[in-house]
Amino acid sequence: EAGVAQSPRYKIIEKRQSVAFWCNPISGHATLYWYQQILGQGPKLLIQFQNNGVVDDSQLPKDRFSAERLKGVDSTLKIQPAKLEDSAVYLCASSLDQGNQPQHFGDGTRLSIL
Amino acid sequence: AQSVSQHNHHVILSEAASLELGCNYSYGGTVNLFWYVQYPGQHLQLLLKYFSGDPLVKGIKGFEAEFIKSKFSFNLRKPSVQWSDTAEYFCAVSGGYNKLIFGAGTRLAVHP
Repeated sequence: EAGVAQSPRYKIIEKRQSVAFWCNPISGHATLYWYQQILGQGPKLLIQFQNNGVVDDSQLPKDRFSAERLKGVDSTLKIQPAKLEDSAVYLCASSLDQGNQPQHFGDGTRLSIL
Repeated sequence: AQSVSQHNHHVILSEAASLELGCNYSYGGTVNLFWYVQYPGQHLQLLLKYFSGDPLVKGIKGFEAEFIKSKFSFNLRKPSVQWSDTAEYFCAVSGGYNKLIFGAGTRLAVHP
């Protein structure tokens, strides 16, 4: 089966600019996750969708980060305006549902803020 | 607060050496436990998982992990490592809604 697709793979922007990441989950997966992985740390969940509804966005910095999954399939994560501390790898994952199902991860987008 | 602690940030071994990576968690309810691996240039992938039942779980590529509830631990083991096991290993715990909480990871380097 095709894996989780993410784009772009790399992005370099200056602080205060905006950026968007795209994720296409595995076909049929109802649950989609966005994680932030800062260098030297494990991934941290930013937001979790079940179909097109938000299950958990408690760790999403809502003053600058937003995410949507309008049709319950692919998703975008946006940062506006970016700060230096947003430099990280942004990972998308999906699972069949939000029960005890393994999460499948994409390759991630490496974001560098100058 | 829920958290996962991995004891070693970097481990260096020679081929055929035995491996044990420590993982302790703090969680106030029933937990599911995972080990994920990230090989160089690849995405995170599931190595093994524990939901219930036998506390000794076997995963892919000869890895196993033991859940010790009294110690809040889920250590990863492999009796004989290979060069191809060079990777970063992440322990994770989930509670409700399949939300994963990861440890900081352990980078393993295996020398031929």
